[in-house]
Amino acid sequence: EDKVVQSPLSLVVHEGDTVTLNCSYEVTNFRSLLWYKQEKKAPTFLFMLTSSGIEKKSGRLSSILDKKELFSILNITATQTGDSAVYLCAVAYGGSQGNLIFGKGTKLSVKP
Amino acid sequence: NAGVTQTPKFRILKIGQSMTLQCAQDMNHNYMYWYRQDPGMGLKLIYYSVGAGITDKGEVPNGYNVSRSTTEDFPLRLELAAPSQTSVYFCASTLGGGNTIYFGEGSWLTVV
Repeated sequence: EDKVVQSPLSLVVHEGDTVTLNCSYEVTNFRSLLWYKQEKKAPTFLFMLTSSGIEKKSGRLSSILDKKELFSILNITATQTGDSAVYLCAVAYGGSQGNLIFGKGTKLSVKP
Repeated sequence: NAGVTQTPKFRILKIGQSMTLQCAQDMNHNYMYWYRQDPGMGLKLIYYSVGAGITDKGEVPNGYNVSRSTTEDFPLRLELAAPSQTSVYFCASTLGGGNTIYFGEGSWLTVV
């Protein structure tokens, strides 16, 4: 059965800390791995990763994919309270980019 | 550019009632999707469509129906609502071919 597993499920850090969120997957017909940030409403897109070993960066966030070991990490450096959210990892599979299997998410709380 | 628009945002249904969640996108996207998200869980695919007139089941289609008569609209119908359908529903769309997936803001549905 296809699955996406995120760890940890929740994390509490202080402002300025660096965090690493993990996502492992077992998905047939893998197309890409996506990271989303979800606050109170809809998930907002962060990164899409299709190739192993190529780091994607956006400000203090970065992510990398390892297709051999079937995992990805999302790093957040110098965390801020505004980073508090649920971070969702999803794997797109099959013929349509929107066929996604989501992990349960990692709830990140950043304390001042 | 409105993106993906969902209505209603909140709704309370009685057991056995029916209703339709509306979803419209103005980006001329071929692919549209309906997901549900239960508390503490990732999103699960209910139905998807790869173009007008074409729909297919996702992971959790039971109790739902969809139609796609136009490129813009992808309504989700709940027949005979059950408490297990209490969830947050997200509509999403993409152009396909590796492009970003855009989510609506969600519809909070409670069945009592």
